[in-house]
Amino acid sequence: NAGVMQNPRHLVRRRGQEARLRCSPMKGHSHVYWYRQLPEEGLKFMVYLQKENIIDESGMPKERFSAEFPKEGPSILRIQQVVRGDSAAYFCASSPGLAWTNTQYFGPGTRLTVL
Amino acid sequence: SQQGEEDPQALSIQEGENATMNCSYKTSINNLQWYRQNSGRGLVHLILIRSNEREKHSGRLRVTLDTSKKSSSLLITASRAADTASYFCATDPNSGNTPLVFGKGTRLSVIA
Repeated sequence: NAGVMQNPRHLVRRRGQEARLRCSPMKGHSHVYWYRQLPEEGLKFMVYLQKENIIDESGMPKERFSAEFPKEGPSILRIQQVVRGDSAAYFCASSPGLAWTNTQYFGPGTRLTVL
Repeated sequence: SQQGEEDPQALSIQEGENATMNCSYKTSINNLQWYRQNSGRGLVHLILIRSNEREKHSGRLRVTLDTSKKSSSLLITASRAADTASYFCATDPNSGNTPLVFGKGTRLSVIA
């Protein structure tokens, strides 16, 4: 059973370009979370999705950022018109959606560098 | 907003010594989890302790939870160089599937 997969592992974009980050949850997991980590910081929640639904996007900036988790395929975090402040590590986590536990399994992250 | 706050921010010990990291949080929780992150890598789940539990063990790890003080501690016994990493506590404020709230972490260095 493969773990959470994220790609690309490293992404370099120039200011104004679009960044598209992908996350494939663990097999059987229907819940996906995206977090952002700045250097020397902890993880900050961005968005929580289930298949085809955004459950909580309270941590995601209203502009330029969007996320989806289609019925088929990976979850996508999309950042339009990137700025230098978007440079960070973006982690995806998945969970099976069990009510009594919320252990989340993290992917290796995508390190975004905006030049 | 960040809920968990780890203490100390950085810890350096000799191999074989025990390492203790603390975490404080502000609001009520359903459970508290500890994660490890090696430099440049993703997070690895270490242990989960529920709000009605006071202590939990897993190998060389011992976690305590004091809900009256809103604090938790992670003890790593007989540390090894491979334990060098950042350790984060994460609180789960509700029952069920909710985003975790992470602290800034403790950076542990174990010197061989």
